[in-house]
Amino acid sequence: DVKVTQSSRYLVKRTGEKVFLECVQDMDHENMFWYRQDPGLGLRLIYFSYDVKMKEKGDIPEGYSVSREKKERFSLILESASTNQTSMYLCASSDLPTGMNTEAFFGQGTRLTVV
Amino acid sequence: QQPVQSPQAVILREGEDAVINCSSSKALYSVHWYRQKHGEAPVFLMILLKGGEQKGHEKISASFNEKKQQSSLYLTASQLSYSGTYFCGFSWGKLQFGAGTQVVVTP
Repeated sequence: DVKVTQSSRYLVKRTGEKVFLECVQDMDHENMFWYRQDPGLGLRLIYFSYDVKMKEKGDIPEGYSVSREKKERFSLILESASTNQTSMYLCASSDLPTGMNTEAFFGQGTRLTVV
Repeated sequence: QQPVQSPQAVILREGEDAVINCSSSKALYSVHWYRQKHGEAPVFLMILLKGGEQKGHEKISASFNEKKQQSSLYLTASQLSYSGTYFCGFSWGKLQFGAGTQVVVTP
């Protein structure tokens, strides 16, 4: 089974902190995605990566950055956490080509609370 | 731009049918459908490709109208296990999802 593992299920951080959300997949997938899930807004794409060190902005990249130094790991970084970044964050991965005709596999999510 | 999904929510009795619609303002390569149960990760249901290839799941089927850039998910003879939030996802290089449709199936 494909596994997408997010490092934390729950996280509480203070405003202004630098926050790292980690995601690891074990199926050698090319593509990895970070989404944010909020009630009534669905899954909004923050960033995605189609190869090591390659990344593209999604719909809501402001306030976030990403890092993909190794194929299996995709990190989401909140440079200076703010309360409006309190949300559920979901990581996903898929095989080539860029998720067009292959399913995406999701991690369990990280519920981040910024206080 | 996110896909536009409707309705926002639907309540069904067991055995009833429902349709969830999804539309795009852009040309699509493929449409994905996922279901998320409360507290769990979204799970893949099916994908519809440009050109008509379709995969199915249980008594859940879908259609993809490429010209209208629309997709519909059909829940037939719904079961209690169908409850959850359904997301359509459009792929044009990146994979973007709609706001979701909450489905509640009651006994």
